[in-house]
Amino acid sequence: QSVLTQPPSASGTPGQRVTISCSGSSSNIGSNAVNWYQHLPGTAPKLLIYSNDQRPSGVPDRFSGSKSGTSASLAISGLQSEDETDYYCAAWDDSLNGPYVVFGGGTKLTVL
Amino acid sequence: QLQLQESGPGLVKPSETLSLTCTVSGGSIRNKNYYWGWIRQPPGKGLEWIGSMYYSGSTYHNPSLKSRVIISGDTSKNQVSLKLNSVTATDTAVYYCARQHVCTNGVCLDWLDPWGQGTLVTVSS
Repeated sequence: QSVLTQPPSASGTPGQRVTISCSGSSSNIGSNAVNWYQHLPGTAPKLLIYSNDQRPSGVPDRFSGSKSGTSASLAISGLQSEDETDYYCAAWDDSLNGPYVVFGGGTKLTVL
Repeated sequence: QLQLQESGPGLVKPSETLSLTCTVSGGSIRNKNYYWGWIRQPPGKGLEWIGSMYYSGSTYHNPSLKSRVIISGDTSKNQVSLKLNSVTATDTAVYYCARQHVCTNGVCLDWLDPWGQGTLVTVSS
């Protein structure tokens, strides 16, 4: 059971716009920035979005992030076959047990 | 260009200690702007943050693993190490190391970038 909640799967056709949600609470998303990672199993995860909506250099502007309250979203426009992989959100959690990084369970994106 | 490479035994027996090393090249673990973290992914499951350390020795840990984890650094070798004791089959995973940015307010940890390729550790007798 992940602290951040993501849909296990999402899908879209080439060229379409897809969004992936990430739901948390006041101790994580509600008070800290959200980061998104793209992960093709067997390879190094790649930072896709940081600080809610910032793209690292080299990440296409087809990828965008947003945050509102205790939820965040990753949007992918102009969907391409190479986008078919796993996506994870993450945030710092000001837990009473000790602050730490929490991840979502991951969303597997399928390009139909 | 900063690169990270994990290394260590691929097979560990139950109840023993898992020991991994992350060798950093193209940058120093003494850089005051970053922590150095460990993350794992069990087969068929999602990513789980294990913990991160600052070159001075300051650390943060996942509460669920804190009692079994030691993360330390060797600045002379530019390496970060992970030790996880009393392992069981549930600790079988691909283990990654990554550079972790500090939040702008300085009181939390933020995004992980870049990551190493990861190393599979299987816990089995």
